[in-house]
Amino acid sequence: EIVLTQAPGTLSLSPGERATLSCRASQSVSSNFLAWYRQKVGQAPRLLIYGASIRASGIPDRFSGSGSGTDFTLTISRLEPEDFAVYYCQQYGSSPPWTFGQGTKVEIK
Amino acid sequence: EPQLVESGGGLVQPGGSLRLSCEASGFMFSAYWIHWLRQTPGKGLMWVSRINDDGTTTNYGDSVKGRFTISRDNAKNIVYLQMNSLGGDDTAMYYCARSGNTYYGANWFDPWGQGTQVTVSS
Repeated sequence: EIVLTQAPGTLSLSPGERATLSCRASQSVSSNFLAWYRQKVGQAPRLLIYGASIRASGIPDRFSGSGSGTDFTLTISRLEPEDFAVYYCQQYGSSPPWTFGQGTKVEIK
Repeated sequence: EPQLVESGGGLVQPGGSLRLSCEASGFMFSAYWIHWLRQTPGKGLMWVSRINDDGTTTNYGDSVKGRFTISRDNAKNIVYLQMNSLGGDDTAMYYCARSGNTYYGANWFDPWGQGTQVTVSS
């Protein structure tokens, strides 16, 4: 089972600032099968990025994903009020179980 | 717009059973794999099970294997999760989610339902 470790645990930033979130895998993620989700309080997670760098439908271009192998990054170029939430990475390699990181909370500074 | 709605959660005693339902709309249901996932404050998000488009292939996480059964009714656009021998560790918010695309390997989750809470307690 691939273990995903996200850092930092909490990121304190102001609206308009840039956020950089990290996701590190315990072994290489095949074909860059990595996704990112945003979860607002009281809501289900929503897909932001899949294939490490492909924005999902309707996701604004302030969200970008990068990385390969074991190191992946989600960047939010300018934080909007709705971006203060918890972010999860997920790997979906060839075989189950598909696993999630423990989450990074982006909070208002 | 694709949508999933879960139901069937509630309070159940240890050792009991519960059946969750996931009703889909807004997309070609019979073309997609469907997954169940769960979330707790302590253990975070965990993938639970999946079923392929025609219901002939299923997979389970180790912690639920042998106790949970996933099935689907393509005529009704519904996926079920039968949960037996429930224990405290099964207490969680349960979500169903669609695979991100119809091709094999598209095991990202989009969209998710709103979730249904399962609480196992005496």
